[in-house]
Amino acid sequence: DVKVTQSSRYLVKRTGEKVFLECVQDMDHENMFWYRQDPGLGLRLIYFSYDVKMKEKGDIPEGYSVSREKKERFSLILESASTNQTSMYLCASSFQRESDTQYFGPGTRLTVL
Amino acid sequence: DQQVKQNSPSLSVQEGRISILNCDYTNSMFDYFLWYKKYPAEGPTFLISISSIKDKNEDGRFTVFLNKSAKHLSLHIVPSQPGDSAVYFCAASATGGSYIPTFGRGTSLIVHP
Repeated sequence: DVKVTQSSRYLVKRTGEKVFLECVQDMDHENMFWYRQDPGLGLRLIYFSYDVKMKEKGDIPEGYSVSREKKERFSLILESASTNQTSMYLCASSFQRESDTQYFGPGTRLTVL
Repeated sequence: DQQVKQNSPSLSVQEGRISILNCDYTNSMFDYFLWYKKYPAEGPTFLISISSIKDKNEDGRFTVFLNKSAKHLSLHIVPSQPGDSAVYFCAASATGGSYIPTFGRGTSLIVHP
């Protein structure tokens, strides 16, 4: 069974803080993704990575950066958290380019005060 | 501009009846379609998919229909059960191009006992 884990289920941070969200998958997947989910807006892609040290911008990368130093780990970084980054953050992974089935982690509910 | 549209934000159905969730897409390059199901406080889970070479795919109580000429797909759940109450996301990708799926905004299904 594929397992995608995220470091925190709930997180509360203050405006201006640097925030790290960690995601780990245990199935040797090449592709990893970060999404945010907001009511009425669905899932929006922030960044993705198809290999170690590779990263590509998604639809809403502003205010975020990512790091993929190891194949199993993909980190999302909020350099200076703002209140409009309060959201549910979802990490996902998939096996290979041709396989579009993504496996999602449980999500991190981030609140920025 | 939304390339994948789920025009019904919510749907309410009686237990035992059929649930029909609809999805429209605009990008003619999309050739692979997926449905994901999401419970509150959990990540989405893959439900069923269909390739553009088919017009129907069935898995137990879940059937997805694809109408390529209308750029429309639908998910049928028969019979609906209270445990099916969740948000359903439609996603589409172009396997010959970018493999990154594009998600709709989701439809919240409530199945009443």
